[in-house]
Amino acid sequence: ETGVTQSPTHLIKTRGQQVTLRCSSQSGHNTVSWYQQALGQGPQFIFQYYREEENGRGNFPPRFSGLQFPNYSSELNVNALELDDSALYLCASSPTGTGGYGYTFGSGTRLTVV
Amino acid sequence: ILNVEQSPQSLHVQEGDSTNFTCSFPSSNFYALHWYRWETAKSPEALFVMTLNGDEKKKGRISATLNTKEGYSYLYIKGSQPEDSATYLCAFMRNNDMRFGAGTRLTVKP
Repeated sequence: ETGVTQSPTHLIKTRGQQVTLRCSSQSGHNTVSWYQQALGQGPQFIFQYYREEENGRGNFPPRFSGLQFPNYSSELNVNALELDDSALYLCASSPTGTGGYGYTFGSGTRLTVV
Repeated sequence: ILNVEQSPQSLHVQEGDSTNFTCSFPSSNFYALHWYRWETAKSPEALFVMTLNGDEKKKGRISATLNTKEGYSYLYIKGSQPEDSATYLCAFMRNNDMRFGAGTRLTVKP
C-alpha cells in the first residue's frame, strides 16, 4: 500500500503571490487533513476534507482554501502570501474523519515566503 | 478553545533509562487521543489511538495510559534506546478537529 505523498518538498515564494500544495492520500483513505507547523510549535489544524467536502476548519483566514478530488487527493491553496505563512505544511490521510484511526502523514512541504 | 499541553518540552536521557511524558487536554466532549512519533527528516508516525477512559496501550517498550475525566495521557518508554530519539506529539480529537500539542523532544544518549 502506498503512503501519503506531498509535492513539492520545498518552495520559495514572494509575499503577495499564490501557492498550491498537493497531497495524495493513502490507498483506501477518504479523509485528508492539512496542518501548518511553524518553528517551535505543534502542527496547527487548517482544515479537513472528507469525500470532497470540507469537514472542519481551524482558525485560518479564507485565503487558505482547499479541494479534494474524486480519487481523494487534495490541494491546499494559499492566496496573498504573507511572511508568516513560512512553515512546514503537512498533509495527513485517514480512513474516516472521526479520529478513531491513526493518521498517515506525508513528509511535508517546506514553504518559505520572502 | 482546544489547548493541548505537553511536558516537558525536551528531555535528555541515557540509554537504558526509562522515561515518561505528559499530555494534557480539555476533559469535555472527548472523542480520541492520538500519540505520534516524529523522527527528524521523516513523517510523523502513529503510535497509539486511545478512545476510552482508562485505556492502556502498549507497543514493544512504549506504552500509554489515558484519563479522560481529568484530561491527561502519559507516554512511557522503558529502557530507552538511541533509536527512540524523536519528537513525541499528542493530539486531541473533538468534532472532526484534531489539535496537536507542541511535542516533547526526546534525546537518548548512548
